[in-house]
Amino acid sequence: SAVISQKPSRDICQRGTSLTIQCQVDSQVTMMFWYRQQPGQSLTLIATANQGSEATYESGFVIDKFPISRPNLTFSTLTVSNMSPEDSSIYLCSVQGGWTGELFFGEGSRLTVL
Amino acid sequence: GENVEQHPSTLSVQEGDSAVIKCTYSDSASNYFPWYKQELGKGPQLIIDIRSNVGEKKDQRIAVTLNKTAKHFSLHITETQPEDSAVYFCAASIPVNNNDMRFGAGTRLTVKP
Repeated sequence: SAVISQKPSRDICQRGTSLTIQCQVDSQVTMMFWYRQQPGQSLTLIATANQGSEATYESGFVIDKFPISRPNLTFSTLTVSNMSPEDSSIYLCSVQGGWTGELFFGEGSRLTVL
Repeated sequence: GENVEQHPSTLSVQEGDSAVIKCTYSDSASNYFPWYKQELGKGPQLIIDIRSNVGEKKDQRIAVTLNKTAKHFSLHITETQPEDSAVYFCAASIPVNNNDMRFGAGTRLTVKP
C-alpha cells in the first residue's frame, strides 16, 4: 500500500479566496486522483492527474475552478479557486496500487468556506 | 457509465451481532468491487475487495459476496465490535480504468456496546 500525505488537513477560508492542497506519495505512481466528498456524501472524482500532461476532468468540474499540478511522480496539488460556501468539503488525494486496481486514499483536507 | 446503489444508508446493530450492507451496480463490464471503511476525520481505508472471477472472499470477521448475474455484492461483518462503527462505501470499476470507479452513497454503521 502507498502512504499518502495531504496538507493542510483542515482550513477555514473566506469566500472569494483560493486554497492549494498538496498531496505527497511515498512511491512513484503514474496516476493520482482528486476526489471531493461533500458533507455526509459519497466520493466524487474531480480529475485524474498524470505526470507530464494536463489533468483530465470529470463532468461538472473545470480547470479554471480546480487547477491541478503534477510536477513529478510523487506529488500533486489541487487548487480550489474563488471559493464559495458550496465548496466546503473534504478533498481527497488517491493513488492506484499497481496493476491490481486498488485505490489508496490520503487522510483528506477538510475545507470550510465562510 | 456505472451507477452504484448502496443500502441501507444507516445501520445500527448490537455488539456481537452481524451486519450486512448491500450494493448493486449497472455496468456488466465492471469486474472489481472494493469496500472502504471511513472513520470520522479520516480518509477511506480499503478493507476488502473481490473480483468477478470469485463469488466470495473472507478475511477474519469480514466477508464479501458477489452475484454477477444479478449485479449485486454484499459486505458481511460478523461478531461486530464498537470499533466497527464507521461509514462503509462500496465501489465498482474496471481495474485498468480507475477513473471509472464509482462509489455507493455510503452506510453509516453504529455498533452499540
